[in-house]
Amino acid sequence: AQSVTQPDARVTVSEGASLQLRCKYSYSGTPYLFWYVQYPRQGLQLLLKYYSGDPVVQGVNGFEAEFIKSNSSFHLRKASVHWSDSAMYFCAVSAGSNNRIFFGDGTQLVVKP
Amino acid sequence: NSKVIQTPRYLVKGQGQKAKMRCIPEKGHPVVFWYQQNKNNEFKFLINFQNQEVLQQIDMTEKRFSAECPSNSPCSLEIQSSEAGDSALYLCASSAGQNERLFFGHGTKLSVL
Repeated sequence: AQSVTQPDARVTVSEGASLQLRCKYSYSGTPYLFWYVQYPRQGLQLLLKYYSGDPVVQGVNGFEAEFIKSNSSFHLRKASVHWSDSAMYFCAVSAGSNNRIFFGDGTQLVVKP
Repeated sequence: NSKVIQTPRYLVKGQGQKAKMRCIPEKGHPVVFWYQQNKNNEFKFLINFQNQEVLQQIDMTEKRFSAECPSNSPCSLEIQSSEAGDSALYLCASSAGQNERLFFGHGTKLSVL
């Protein structure tokens, strides 16, 4: 069965530092992979999506993610974080029939000024 | 920006009461999802629809929830008899098709007293 693991419940970084949020998925085929961000009291917003092609995908606000099939990973990165990046980040995988999309448990990002 | 509209934003019910929430998906999106997000930010898939038909739902939804997505009317999710454990943020999302990105509403925060 498909699943998504985000091993870090909370990540704290200083403003201006680089960032990596980890995501590993479980699926036997080639999945559709997503990263979403959730700000307080709001719904989720898409940061980026991958299905095929260049394994490094660019998203909004300077975020990017790299699909590494051999590692079943889709880590999110940003070169220099801003305090406004503080939010919950969710990795998701879509695969198989019935349009089912699986979410990880999320990583709380705290950016210190 | 997402145009998925969820109402109400907040819902307070007593145990045993019915709790009903609504969702208007993005125009033209045939696929609608309902998720339950608990206080630990964990997502639980509840049900999804494609063109008014149920694609998949979990056992809890089948037994205790009533959901529909009629044409030309808002989708709805109703808990028949609310329990304290149902207190959560209920997120509605729509998409253009299988494996496409989700557009989320702001959610309905249900509190069962």
